[in-house]
Amino acid sequence: DIQMTQSPSSLSASVGGRVTITCRASHDISNYLAWYQQRPGKVPKVLIYAASTLQSGVPSRFSGSGSGTDFTLTISSLQPEDVATYYCQNYHSAPLTFGGGTKVEIK
Amino acid sequence: EVHLVESGGILVQPGGSLRLSCVASGFTFSTYWMHWVRQVPGKGLVWVSCINSDGNNISYADSVKGRFTISRDNAKNTLYLQMSGLRAEDTAVYYCGRGGRSVRVTYDWGQGTLVTVSS
Repeated sequence: DIQMTQSPSSLSASVGGRVTITCRASHDISNYLAWYQQRPGKVPKVLIYAASTLQSGVPSRFSGSGSGTDFTLTISSLQPEDVATYYCQNYHSAPLTFGGGTKVEIK
Repeated sequence: EVHLVESGGILVQPGGSLRLSCVASGFTFSTYWMHWVRQVPGKGLVWVSCINSDGNNISYADSVKGRFTISRDNAKNTLYLQMSGLRAEDTAVYYCGRGGRSVRVTYDWGQGTLVTVSS
């Protein structure tokens, strides 16, 4: 099974600051990597799929990169509405494991 | 607009069985992958199972394999999760999710239904 390891588990940054979250797969998953945002009390929402493709309607301050085993989600200018927990997910092969999540807060 | 409405979550005793349903609307249900994902309140997302459009490609998480069965009725636009041999650690909110036509990303999510396994 493919394990997904996210880091850090939590972070705080200033409004307007740059946020970087990393996700590492235990095996090569090519670009079969999605990022989800879950705001407090809300249902998850897909932000990025195929490692770097922005889902329709997602602000351009979100971006994804990586391939193989190492991936990154970047928020270029953190906004108050970005307070959430972010998850990566392997969809290359079952089980379609999620990372443990990264909680993003405002400093 | 995509709508996914889960139902069937209740309090059940350990060892018991339960069937969750997810009624879909706003898209051509019969052409999409569908998922079940669960989340213990306050904890992370855990993928449970997925099924392809015609039901002949199914996968499960190791933690539920042999106890849970995913199925779908394309005529009724409904996804199911039959759960048996329930354990306390199965307690969670269960989300139904819409995948892609050929991609297993979860693009849309229901509001979830709470399953509590306790004596």
